[in-house]
Amino acid sequence: DTGVSQDPRHKITKRGQNVTFRCDPISEHNRLYWYRQTLGQGPEFLTYFQNEAQLEKSRLLSDRFSAERPKGSFSTLEIQRTEQGDSAMYLCASSLAAGGATDTQYFGPGTRLTVL
Amino acid sequence: QKEVEQNSGPLSVPEGAIASLNCTYSDRVSQSFFWYRQYSGKSPELIMSIYSNGDKEDGRFTAQLNKASQYVSLLIRDSQPSDSATYLCAVPRDYKLSFGAGTTVTVRA
Repeated sequence: DTGVSQDPRHKITKRGQNVTFRCDPISEHNRLYWYRQTLGQGPEFLTYFQNEAQLEKSRLLSDRFSAERPKGSFSTLEIQRTEQGDSAMYLCASSLAAGGATDTQYFGPGTRLTVL
Repeated sequence: QKEVEQNSGPLSVPEGAIASLNCTYSDRVSQSFFWYRQYSGKSPELIMSIYSNGDKEDGRFTAQLNKASQYVSLLIRDSQPSDSATYLCAVPRDYKLSFGAGTTVTVRA
């Protein structure tokens, strides 16, 4: 399978715990995105990497959230001191920069987080 | 005004009919538009992209774009039960995608 992969697929945690999610993009893709989706809504942008550089972070991304993409390959998203409001589907997408803003993003299967 | 708005649905159509989904966007400089399909509990899957005014057809799907009216639509011809899903309209803004809330389509057998 050469698509975007995410791990774990499901995570149940207690409020206050830290969680970390991993995303492996399509191998030749240099852009990687994190989105969050809650029930009945479209995905909302969280952050974006081009190679290893984190170029933009949404205001939705509080100080409890941190993302990395070491060496421009896989990425991790960590949530510290989880809150019930963090319960959502966390989606990773990747794309190949095409010299403009119209490159196509392909999504991974997502990680569903439930905070009890 | 939201950046991307879709008809709220849900939309129920009989098998074999045409499902029509609408999307409006607020940023006049947007140049590309995407339709994703999302089955319940799954992640979005790209089904169509469109960049130029007019129609673009791919199998049973037709995307229509009118930049002057800031409007993009998706037609699903000969709807099948397997088309039952939520359809998301997405517009890029500075590399990130802005999504509508989605329109849920149910195809009745």
